[in-house]
Amino acid sequence: DAGITQSPRHKVTETGTPVTLRCHQTENHRYMYWYRQDPGHGLRLIHYSYGVKDTDKGEVSDGYSVSRSKTEDFLLTLESATSSQTSVYFCAISTQGGNTEAFFGQGTRLTVV
Amino acid sequence: AQTVTQSQPEMSVQEAETVTLSCTYDTSENNYYLFWYKQPPSRQMILVIRQEAYKQQNATENRFSVNFQKAAKSFSLKISDSQLGDTAMYFCAFMKHVTSNTGKLIFGQGTTLQVKP
Repeated sequence: DAGITQSPRHKVTETGTPVTLRCHQTENHRYMYWYRQDPGHGLRLIHYSYGVKDTDKGEVSDGYSVSRSKTEDFLLTLESATSSQTSVYFCAISTQGGNTEAFFGQGTRLTVV
Repeated sequence: AQTVTQSQPEMSVQEAETVTLSCTYDTSENNYYLFWYKQPPSRQMILVIRQEAYKQQNATENRFSVNFQKAAKSFSLKISDSQLGDTAMYFCAFMKHVTSNTGKLIFGQGTTLQVKP
């Protein structure tokens, strides 16, 4: 298994609170991604990173920010959680964009009440 | 913009039989990759099979094979000799293949497959 760990695995939070999800890899891969999974939508890209301090927006980035201060860590922050951000969040890594398989973490189930 | 469509939300098949999951996509790109991912109840995303658009030969991985029709923009997955462990949600995904590719995946909505004993 690829060395990719998400934390926490489950979280319940209240509307309006900030939440940070962590993705940690031991593979030294350049690219890291955050996706969210919702019924009827599959997985959609939130943000991605192509190096330390290099990030860009994905398809559904509103309400989310990311940071990557080290190769191995990619953080996803919900600045003020809303019920529409209740979802399962996946982190993924790959060596080169498109030239190899993307490996996924186990996912984080986030519930905003 | 690229889109991926899976028109079968749910399917079922008897154990040992064959089932085909459909996927269509829309793109103006000529070079790209297509994938099928499996997501069992454990939630783990597992790569099942991958197809490179410039290869005419359909990809196969043991009991899994694809029917890639580039002109029709169709990419179906055939599972032969279905097993109970194949019960999962299956996602079709698209990735552009360009020099500056960032590896972003575009997913379909998913098809839930149940294999019945």
